[in-house]
Amino acid sequence: AQTVTQSQPEMSVQEAETVTLSCTYDTSESDYYLFWYKQPPSRQMILVIRQEAYKQQNATENRFSVNFQKAAKSFSLKISDSQLGDAAMYFCAYRTGETSGSRLTFGEGTQLTVNP
Amino acid sequence: KAGVTQTPRYLIKTRGQQVTLSCSPISGHRSVSWYQQTPGQGLQFLFEYFSETQRNKGNFPGRFSGRQFSNSRSEMNVSTLELGDSALYLCASSLARDTFRNTQYFGPGTRLTVL
Repeated sequence: AQTVTQSQPEMSVQEAETVTLSCTYDTSESDYYLFWYKQPPSRQMILVIRQEAYKQQNATENRFSVNFQKAAKSFSLKISDSQLGDAAMYFCAYRTGETSGSRLTFGEGTQLTVNP
Repeated sequence: KAGVTQTPRYLIKTRGQQVTLSCSPISGHRSVSWYQQTPGQGLQFLFEYFSETQRNKGNFPGRFSGRQFSNSRSEMNVSTLELGDSALYLCASSLARDTFRNTQYFGPGTRLTVL
């Protein structure tokens, strides 16, 4: 079974600084997708960024970027120029191939605090 | 385009009762998945529906069931509620089941409290 591990239950960053959230996963599949979702206090899960395993290039979305290390099964999220609105719980998620459909496996989450 | 909607947003029930939660996917989305979120167990997959058929099921007891209608709207039902069923229930929709490359978009959730 696939597992996703986020080893940092809590992280904090100063406004305008950069922070990196860690995620590791375990799988025997070769084709899969990885995601970072953000869940603010409203509890609405919001997609931040996604990465296709077959792509070597790291995904970027504005201030958000990932460091995808396939051999190490590592998928970290870097938030640059942190803003107060970035404060939220961040979940790393994994989805495998066709046999699992749309099923996502989530990590435990990292609570990010942004200090003014 | 309207996002995923879930009703009701909050629900209070007592042990032994049953409950039905509803999810309307984004227009054009045909796959609906359900997740349970609790402080102790985190986010866990319940089931996925596509074209009115259950495609995938997580490791939950038979008290948890669901269905999908021809307009892609989905309901999940929990019978004989237990205190441990108190959770945030999240629904997510995606475009199609034909490829897992479609991204899931989540609704705001239904907060169920069992007393």
